[in-house]
Amino acid sequence: KQEVTQIPAALSVPEGENLVLNCSFTDSAIYNLQWFRQDPGKGLTSLLLIQSSQREQTSGRLNASLDKSSGRSTLYIAASQPGDSATYLCAVQAGTALIFGKGTTLSVSS
Amino acid sequence: EPEVTQTPSHQVTQMGQEVILRCVPISNHLYFYWYRQILGQKVEFLVSFYNNEISEKSEIFDDQFSVERPDGSNFTLKIRSTKLEDSAMYFCASSEMDRVGTEAFFGQGTRLTVV
Repeated sequence: KQEVTQIPAALSVPEGENLVLNCSFTDSAIYNLQWFRQDPGKGLTSLLLIQSSQREQTSGRLNASLDKSSGRSTLYIAASQPGDSATYLCAVQAGTALIFGKGTTLSVSS
Repeated sequence: EPEVTQTPSHQVTQMGQEVILRCVPISNHLYFYWYRQILGQKVEFLVSFYNNEISEKSEIFDDQFSVERPDGSNFTLKIRSTKLEDSAMYFCASSEMDRVGTEAFFGQGTRLTVV
């Protein structure tokens, strides 16, 4: 059964820092991996999708990598801003379902 | 920008009542999904739907739940005989295609409170 784990559970950084969020999954037979952002009490906003054949994807200050063989993905956020404060969720697609981690809650202070 | 729309944003119902959660997926998408998130827990998959039938469902999606695409735009989740433990945020999602290359887009959610 696929399990997705995200470390750390929470992270506090000062504005301007670069940071890395980690995601690991137990079964490497995935179709793709997606990173989401969730603000408190809100929906999920898709940030990046990495297909299983890809190694990384970039969008603005975000860069996500995928190492399928080792079951790991990282989300790199450059020059963090207070507006980046949110929970970041990693999800892998197995079948038609997305299997989610519990998320990393990021707080960026000004 | 196209988005997934869910109504209502918040619903309160009494235990034992039936509720219908509504979603309007992105118009050219073919796959539709329901997920739920109990407060403080992971987002959990409930069901996927394609071509007017269920593609996949989780253990959570038992006989209490059903889905329907009643017309060309709406996608609904019905929960019969609600229980306290059904209280959660329910998310609808849609994607253009399944499996490789799929990016799922989520709605803002319906917060269901069972009292």
